[in-house]
Amino acid sequence: GAGVSQSPSNKVTEKGKDVELRCDPISGHTALYWYRQSLGQGLEFLIYFQGNSAPDKSGLPSDRFSAERTGGSVSTLTIQRTQQEDSAVYLCASSLYNSQETQYFGPGTRLLVL
Amino acid sequence: SQKIEQNSEALNIQEGKTATLTCNYTNYSPAYLQWYRQDPGRGPVFLLLIRENEKEKRKERLKVTFDTTLKQSLFHITASQPADSATYLCALERVTGGGNKLTFGTGTQLKVEL
Repeated sequence: GAGVSQSPSNKVTEKGKDVELRCDPISGHTALYWYRQSLGQGLEFLIYFQGNSAPDKSGLPSDRFSAERTGGSVSTLTIQRTQQEDSAVYLCASSLYNSQETQYFGPGTRLLVL
Repeated sequence: SQKIEQNSEALNIQEGKTATLTCNYTNYSPAYLQWYRQDPGRGPVFLLLIRENEKEKRKERLKVTFDTTLKQSLFHITASQPADSATYLCALERVTGGGNKLTFGTGTQLKVEL
C-alpha cells in the first residue's frame, strides 16, 4: 500500500543492547515524526524532521536516543544501551509539508527490553 | 504548564446512542485541534480537524465542537455502532521554539455495546 510502513513490527532485546527502528513515510511527504506510546499513555513526541531543516529533537528523552532521515525519505530511530523503561510502541508519522497538517501514522514497532 | 485532558475512564454506551467525548486543555491558544481514532495494535488514524475560528465541524456521523473560551472540544458520534469502539485521541497544535507541533492527549476508550 501507499501508507507509512515501519519495521520491525515487534522487537525484543536485552537491556544494554542497541536497537534500530525504521520508518518509510508516504512518498512525497516532507515532514516525518517519531512518537513513543507507553501502555495507557498518550503519544509522546520524540523528534520531527521537516524537509532539509535541522530536526526538532526537543522530545528525545536522553542522549541514548537519536534519529536520522536519509535523502528526505526513510528514517531510522536508534536507541543505544536500551533500558527496560524504553519498552513501548514507537510510532512514526508523516505529513505532506509540516506539523500543521494531518499526520498519517504507521502501525508502530513494539519494543520490549528484557 | 500546557496540559491536555481527556477522560481516562472508558465510556460505555449502547448501540444507537450518541457518544460524547471531551478534550479540555489549559495554557494553550491552539490555532486548531485534531481528533484521531486508534484501534488496538495500530497507529492513530486522522478523523477531523477544526480551526479556532470554527465552532463546529461535521463528517458523516461525527461532529466536533471547539470552544476557545471554555478551552474545550467535544467529539460526538451519533447513531453509534459496535465498530466505533476504539480509543479516541485529541491533539492540539503547540507552539515551541522549534516550530509548531501537535501534542496528543492520552485518549478516551469508547465501547459501544449491542
